Amino acid sequence: GDSVTQMEGPVTLSEEACLTINCTYTATGYPSLFWYVQYPGEGLQLLLKATKADDKGSNKGFEATYRKETTSFHLEKGSVQVSDSAVYFCALSDWGNAGNMLTFGGGTRLMVKP
Amino acid sequence: GAVVSQHPSRVICKSGTSVKIECRSLDFQATTMFWYRQFPKKSLMLMATSNEGSKATYEQGVEKDKFLINHASLTLSTLTVTSAHPEDSSFYICSASFDTSGNTIYFGEGSWLTVV
Repeated sequence: GDSVTQMEGPVTLSEEACLTINCTYTATGYPSLFWYVQYPGEGLQLLLKATKADDKGSNKGFEATYRKETTSFHLEKGSVQVSDSAVYFCALSDWGNAGNMLTFGGGTRLMVKP
Repeated sequence: GAVVSQHPSRVICKSGTSVKIECRSLDFQATTMFWYRQFPKKSLMLMATSNEGSKATYEQGVEKDKFLINHASLTLSTLTVTSAHPEDSSFYICSASFDTSGNTIYFGEGSWLTVV
């Protein structure tokens, strides 16, 4: 079945440091890929998405490129802020496999220190 | 590790009937649970935040009388879709958090609802 693997946290960075959170996936079809973010006490929010190979999703300074050859969708940001502290989830949606609409990675907690 | 179980994984119901979806935290007490729905080829949409022992907080545009959420215990939250219509057909997924910071979050397997 489909699966998503993302790096375990917590990831602790200083403000203005570069961020990379690795995400790799396995899927039987042609999935869409998502990054979601959850701030403390709040629900998930969509951060960015990519629906086909080589697409780049971007939002709020975060980027991720859909790499079919490496089955990866790593999240990157050039300069993190304290306000970026949250839990980040990589997710896959494989519409060709209706038995499993959405598959999440385990989540990676990011802590940014001033 | 901690597991969140959702039931049923698939349900088909007739228009006008109600259907209940359960979200259980199996080995931890969940102070907060979230309910989401996903339309085909769309991202997740947060429906409501469910806090044990209090009323759920619904997101704007979500009908609270149609999507009843009950979080009566620290291990169970239920979503009841009342008077279901075909447009309610969707994938519903819950998540649970066992600490008040919400930093540790687990997802259920999701429930496919088809209203015919």
